[in-house]
Amino acid sequence: AQSVAQPEDQVNVAEGNPLTVKCTYSVSGNPYLFWYVQYPNRGLQFLLKYITGDNLVKGSYGFEAEFNKSQTSFHLKKPSALVSDSALYFCAVRDFSGGYNKLIFGAGTRLAVHP
Amino acid sequence: EAQVTQNPRYLITVTGKKLTVTCSQNMNHEYMSWYRQDPGLGLRQIYYSMNVEVTDKGDVPEGYKVSRKEKRNFPLILESPSPNQTSLYFCASTRTGENTEAFFGQGTRLTVV
Repeated sequence: AQSVAQPEDQVNVAEGNPLTVKCTYSVSGNPYLFWYVQYPNRGLQFLLKYITGDNLVKGSYGFEAEFNKSQTSFHLKKPSALVSDSALYFCAVRDFSGGYNKLIFGAGTRLAVHP
Repeated sequence: EAQVTQNPRYLITVTGKKLTVTCSQNMNHEYMSWYRQDPGLGLRQIYYSMNVEVTDKGDVPEGYKVSRKEKRNFPLILESPSPNQTSLYFCASTRTGENTEAFFGQGTRLTVV
């Protein structure tokens, strides 16, 4: 069965420092991977996706993610964190089993960026 | 503006009182789904619909119903809510295709007392 793991409940980083939010996956076949962000009292917003091609994917708000097939990881990164990046981040993988597609989400990682 | 609209945003109700959470999308997407978000569990799919009049159970369908009479609308129905259905609910719509991202509504925070 497809699954996604986000090993950290919370990540703390100082403003201006690089940030990494970790995600590992388990899928049969080619992975279709996504990152979403949830700001307080808001819905989930799409950040970026990996379907095929370049292992470094660039997305919204200066975020990027690195796909690593050998480590089955898809970590979210940003070179310089902002306080406004503080939010809940979800990694997801598309599941095609059963003849339909759905997203399987990780438990989420709360990112706290301190001034 | 492309969007998924859920109503209400917040709802407090009592056990057993039927309620409906509405969801509407303006992107002409075929695929719509409902998720619930609980701390430490991420989002779990409740029901999905691949098109009008085509719906099926997701991972946690017990206690919920849905309908898809029109392409744009996908209401979630709780016929007899219970406290364990207290959660944050999200509706999502997706254009058919392997590499398409889902668009999510703003969420409905439901409390059942």
